[in-house]
Amino acid sequence: GQQLNQSPQSMFIQEGEDVSMNCTSSSIFNTWLWYKQDPGEGPVLLIALYKAGELTSNGRLTAQFGITRKDSFLNISASIPSDVGIYFCAGLDPGGSQGNLIFGKGTKLSVKP
Amino acid sequence: KAGVTQTPRYLIKTRGQQVTLSCSPISGHRSVSWYQQTPGQGLQFLFEYFSETQRNKGNFPGRFSGRQFSNSRSEMNVSTLELGDSALYLCASSSQTTYNEQFFGPGTRLTVL
Repeated sequence: GQQLNQSPQSMFIQEGEDVSMNCTSSSIFNTWLWYKQDPGEGPVLLIALYKAGELTSNGRLTAQFGITRKDSFLNISASIPSDVGIYFCAGLDPGGSQGNLIFGKGTKLSVKP
Repeated sequence: KAGVTQTPRYLIKTRGQQVTLSCSPISGHRSVSWYQQTPGQGLQFLFEYFSETQRNKGNFPGRFSGRQFSNSRSEMNVSTLELGDSALYLCASSSQTTYNEQFFGPGTRLTVL
């Protein structure tokens, strides 16, 4: 089946640092979504991208839809402690399967000790 | 507007039993998708319902089933539970106009002993 390769798997942040993560696929996706999940909760939608090359911001978060439609990245600027959590990229199944989001394995953001 | 609600939040069952989980979508949303989340496999699509019809199904055995009611509320059922069914079960709803953007509930944590 379709897979999204998300990297890095984990990273440690210090308050104030900028963070970058990305997602790639071997297939073209028409929509890229970025979610954040806190422990014990469901994923929360952060940003939705619909057009190749599109750059969208949501506060300190910026995401881009790659020109090839096979990749996307998410940047977090000036990180704060509440940014800790797991970030997932997701795309609607390019095979046209209704309601089926394909998810990356996630990037776990933790605070540097 | 109230978010997606799922009940119960936690459930403990033993092997061989069956379980029914419930999901109430955001008001006005007619599409409900179900996902299984485990540490090893990540988020995997189970099925999607729209207007009481199952439109799509993921690669799970027939022990996993679901249904949707006329008020868009959805239930999923797992029969003959196995240890490997222990997971966080998430449902997500979306509207017809922004059907790519799925909004998740908090999930039901199922533990099979």
